[in-house]
Amino acid sequence: EPEVTQTPSHQVTQMGQEVILRCVPISNHLYFYWYRQILGQKVEFLVSFYNNEISEKSEIFDDQFSVERPDGSNFTLKIRSTKLEDSAMYFCASSLGQVTYEQYFGPGTRLTVT
Amino acid sequence: AQTVTQSQPEMSVQEAETVTLSCTYDTSENNYYLFWYKQPPSRQMILVIRQEAYKQQNATENRFSVNFQKAAKSFSLKISDSQLGDTAMYFCAPRTGDKLIFGTGTRLQVFP
Repeated sequence: EPEVTQTPSHQVTQMGQEVILRCVPISNHLYFYWYRQILGQKVEFLVSFYNNEISEKSEIFDDQFSVERPDGSNFTLKIRSTKLEDSAMYFCASSLGQVTYEQYFGPGTRLTVT
Repeated sequence: AQTVTQSQPEMSVQEAETVTLSCTYDTSENNYYLFWYKQPPSRQMILVIRQEAYKQQNATENRFSVNFQKAAKSFSLKISDSQLGDTAMYFCAPRTGDKLIFGTGTRLQVFP
């Protein structure tokens, strides 16, 4: 069964450093998403991406964040200058279509900023 | 803004018994979809069940079913014949447009 994959599973970085989180969505899906979950808190939407552009973003997704689909398979989230409060689990998700379709989640990348 | 309330932070149930997890939400949309996701200790988010708001019939997926009350904006999840593998966090998540709005979750523990 096709699945969303994410690398790395755990990333440790120092405050102020740039990180890139990688995702490979399900191959025939067209919509891609990033969510994050700070430990012990609920899952929060960051951004959605369709047709090579951002379709919606939350207030969390400020200028420090960017997303890209550099080739036909990868979908990346970049944080330019990490802060301590960026420590969280980051989930990538993909779906075949918009509202009517389920979003399938990857296993997550645990980001620890020290 | 949409809000999702899961009023039971923790629940426990004995194996083979039935448990119901509650969820209420607030939305101004008329056409939307609702989902329950399960997050086991591995922290992977796994889709459990979905419900279309325009459908009156409650969704069922094997041992999982929902009780959807659109007027009351209530969307509860019933797990029948609970199994040890059902132990997880359960999140209710309505969706309008692109994003899922997650509740704070209910931690379910299934005891043998």
